[in-house]
Amino acid sequence: NAGVTQTPKFQVLKTGQSMTLQCAQDMNHEYMSWYRQDPGMGLRLIHYSVGAGITDQGEVPNGYNVSRSTTEDFPLRLLSAAPSQTSVYFCASSPSGGRAGYEQYFGPGTRLTVT
Amino acid sequence: DQQVKQNSPSLSVQEGRISILNCDYTNSMFDYFLWYKKYPAEGPTFLISISSIKDKNEDGRFTVFLNKSAKHLSLHIVPSQPGDSAVYFCAASSNDYKLSFGAGTTVTVRA
Repeated sequence: NAGVTQTPKFQVLKTGQSMTLQCAQDMNHEYMSWYRQDPGMGLRLIHYSVGAGITDQGEVPNGYNVSRSTTEDFPLRLLSAAPSQTSVYFCASSPSGGRAGYEQYFGPGTRLTVT
Repeated sequence: DQQVKQNSPSLSVQEGRISILNCDYTNSMFDYFLWYKKYPAEGPTFLISISSIKDKNEDGRFTVFLNKSAKHLSLHIVPSQPGDSAVYFCAASSNDYKLSFGAGTTVTVRA
């Protein structure tokens, strides 16, 4: 049982490049989400999904796309990277329904630098 | 504007003493509150939570207190241990599983 896995662990991009951050979970969780962590800002929600085929925007969605074709995977796409997207990205999952849905399991993070 | 605020960026405490971490929120619709713990190069892990219908929840060395009228919650760790050295995030939600996080407090437990 691997929990929530994220790849890559580190990535350096040039401004304007695109890439996809991968996230997978093996706990059969319905709810998945992406956060970014910046110094002094805590974690901010980018996009989330309440099940396969359903996604919605969080607090800071601009510049990012997501899709959820399976329960297990929730990739985050950067369309045209900008230096402001330099951050640590965390994927999280939780079972839907009841209080358990709040107690999200986080992946180890992807540290992204945009030059 | 951040709806969850942790005004103390850092806290240093001696091993065996109490650690008290504070968190304030502005959104009166928040009805569930959580604390997460984060070690360097790892993702946050859930620590303890409290519903808005309670004012206290205890789990071993960790106790969370909620004061709804003041829109304030606190986390008490007693006794503090070296393994408690980490960043602690306060988070809140309004019944939709979307979490709003504070900026975090770095706790250092001195031997």
